[in-house]
Amino acid sequence: GENVEQHPSTLSVQEGDSAVIKCTYSDSASNYFPWYKQELGKRPQLIIDIRSNVGEKKDQRIAVTLNKTAKHFSLHITETQPEDSAVYFCAARGMDTGRRALTFGSGTRLQVQP
Amino acid sequence: GAGVSQSPSNKVTEKGKDVELRCDPISGHTALYWYRQSLGQGLEFLIYFQGNSAPDKSGLPSDRFSAERTGGSVSTLTIQRTQQEDSAVYLCASSLTGRTAKNIQYFGAGTRLSVL
Repeated sequence: GENVEQHPSTLSVQEGDSAVIKCTYSDSASNYFPWYKQELGKRPQLIIDIRSNVGEKKDQRIAVTLNKTAKHFSLHITETQPEDSAVYFCAARGMDTGRRALTFGSGTRLQVQP
Repeated sequence: GAGVSQSPSNKVTEKGKDVELRCDPISGHTALYWYRQSLGQGLEFLIYFQGNSAPDKSGLPSDRFSAERTGGSVSTLTIQRTQQEDSAVYLCASSLTGRTAKNIQYFGAGTRLSVL
């Protein structure tokens, strides 16, 4: 089955700096990679996703890059703000029969210092 | 419309008791997922329902865990003879379909289960 590893587990940056979170996956058949943001005590919410036929996707201050050959993908947040502080989860989804759920990384706690 | 709704939001139970957790997915969503999130950990897949197909139970940690989905809508996750290690937040998610390469999963707020 799929295995997703995520680094770092915690990340502290100054407001205005960039933050990068990296994930690797094991199943070369995986083709969908979403990122979720979970604020304290709240539900995970999708912030951006990418499919395997695309190398990069941007949405305002957030971007995701995917390297299929190396089987890794990264989340980039530029001009960080205190409200970006949360736990971020990467995930991967393959196409193997019967397995439609996402496999999540262990999460990165991002703290943006004002 | 309304998002994914879960109840109860918090559940405290004694070791050995059975518990039932409920999930009401977004109307029209045919795919429903249960995940477990232990303190400070990622989300662990438990079970997946897609329409009338047989559920994917490959993530259930033991035979004390079971789930059903009635009428293709509401789902109930049942944990029998609860143990302290079952303490976690149980999250439900739904998506429009599970069969396309991309399906956005929308999460409920979760049920925080504490087993004393």
